[in-house]
Amino acid sequence: TLKESGPTLVKPTQTLTLTCTFSGFSLTTSGVGVGWIRQPPGKALEWLALIYWDGDKRYSPSLKSRLSITKDTSKNQVVLSMTNMDPVDTATYYCAHLDWLLFNFWGQGTLVTVSS
Amino acid sequence: DIQMTQSQSTLSASVGDRVIITCRASQNISVWLAWYQQKPGKAPKVLIYKASTLESGVPSRFSGSGSGTEFTLTISSLQPDDFATYYCQHYNSDSWTFGQGTKVEVK
Repeated sequence: TLKESGPTLVKPTQTLTLTCTFSGFSLTTSGVGVGWIRQPPGKALEWLALIYWDGDKRYSPSLKSRLSITKDTSKNQVVLSMTNMDPVDTATYYCAHLDWLLFNFWGQGTLVTVSS
Repeated sequence: DIQMTQSQSTLSASVGDRVIITCRASQNISVWLAWYQQKPGKAPKVLIYKASTLESGVPSRFSGSGSGTEFTLTISSLQPDDFATYYCQHYNSDSWTFGQGTKVEVK
């Protein structure tokens, strides 16, 4: 299982930090990763970032300058940071387990609202 | 960047109908395509990967086909539980790109 945690409300220009806490798998297993995907209300899914078991990282090209993803294997956690938040970043943010390139298990998601 | 296009934003259908959802890639992606189902307030669930491989536990009424740039998801006989939004997704080791989604609603 995976569960997202973090603030539900952030102000414009602030940095959002979300934590994905997972169980049932190890982020040291070859081929495994944890990714972040978001979904604005009523809109489509958008992949944001991913970290592989070996520490390799991938970012959405359109958001790369604002994103940072890290992992703490000992705590079974992956952390996503997104800088300079804007109201258009209001969305449900999901973390998901990646198994050989496929997001096959997802967290329940957490709604983040950006508003002053 | 590769773009994924689902031309049908909404599709109206009845229980028992054969439903076909289409997805187009902006360039050749071979068979690196997955289909997800999402219900309101829930996380997406993978149905199909590698264009045509059924994920374990997914009913056999779901099938996928295509390669290159044109792909389809077919529901052979629509069931009440299938009313949902469906997303295609291209994947490789560097990026994951979703289509805009196709909502299957009651006709």
